Amino acid sequence: GQQLNQSPQSMFIQEGEDVSMNCTSSSIFNTWLWYKQDPGEGPVLLIALYKAGELTSNGRLTAQFGITRKDSFLNISASIPSDVGIYFCAGHYGGSQGNLIFGKGTKLSVKP
Amino acid sequence: GAVVSQHPSRVICKSGTSVKIECRSLDFQATTMFWYRQFPKKSLMLMATSNEGSKATYEQGVEKDKFLINHASLTLSTLTVTSAHPEDSSFYICSAITLAGLETQYFGPGTRLLVL
Repeated sequence: GQQLNQSPQSMFIQEGEDVSMNCTSSSIFNTWLWYKQDPGEGPVLLIALYKAGELTSNGRLTAQFGITRKDSFLNISASIPSDVGIYFCAGHYGGSQGNLIFGKGTKLSVKP
Repeated sequence: GAVVSQHPSRVICKSGTSVKIECRSLDFQATTMFWYRQFPKKSLMLMATSNEGSKATYEQGVEKDKFLINHASLTLSTLTVTSAHPEDSSFYICSAITLAGLETQYFGPGTRLLVL
């Protein structure tokens, strides 16, 4: 099925560093969502973005809905070991269907 | 927040048997639930959309007779893998949307299926 372009695929960083990942699409989305998935668990919603240009924070996480509505980024500041996991972006076209289009994920590893 | 549970969390079965996985929305009503399959180190693959009181909508390439979905109430959807084979071994995850937020899916913890 259709997928978003999410990058980078993986990141290895030192504890305390900031992290940035992004997703781009050829299509316009009405909503962008960012999820984190730990091994053997289901994805957990981190941030939901509903308007173009919207910048939303959740603790050390900040995400933005791109002005063109075709991209979004997620930043993590001052990373800690528990930030390890796979981060997925997801886009929603709008309407009543509810289907999400997922990125392929960014695997984050944090070295203490 | 909206909580979704799945049961069982892990199941091992013999080839040829059927396995039922339950997905429940614990603190909200979900008219729509989704079933995903996830292979190791891959993204989520949507299998079907389950609407309460009606037939599920399956994605292209997903066999409806193989993966039976029932959404009998506003808080429960079940996925039955019929006549399971080793290639059906995977991580199955459900999600649900609230009436207020059609675009925001809340995921269950997943069910690991191993078919021997």
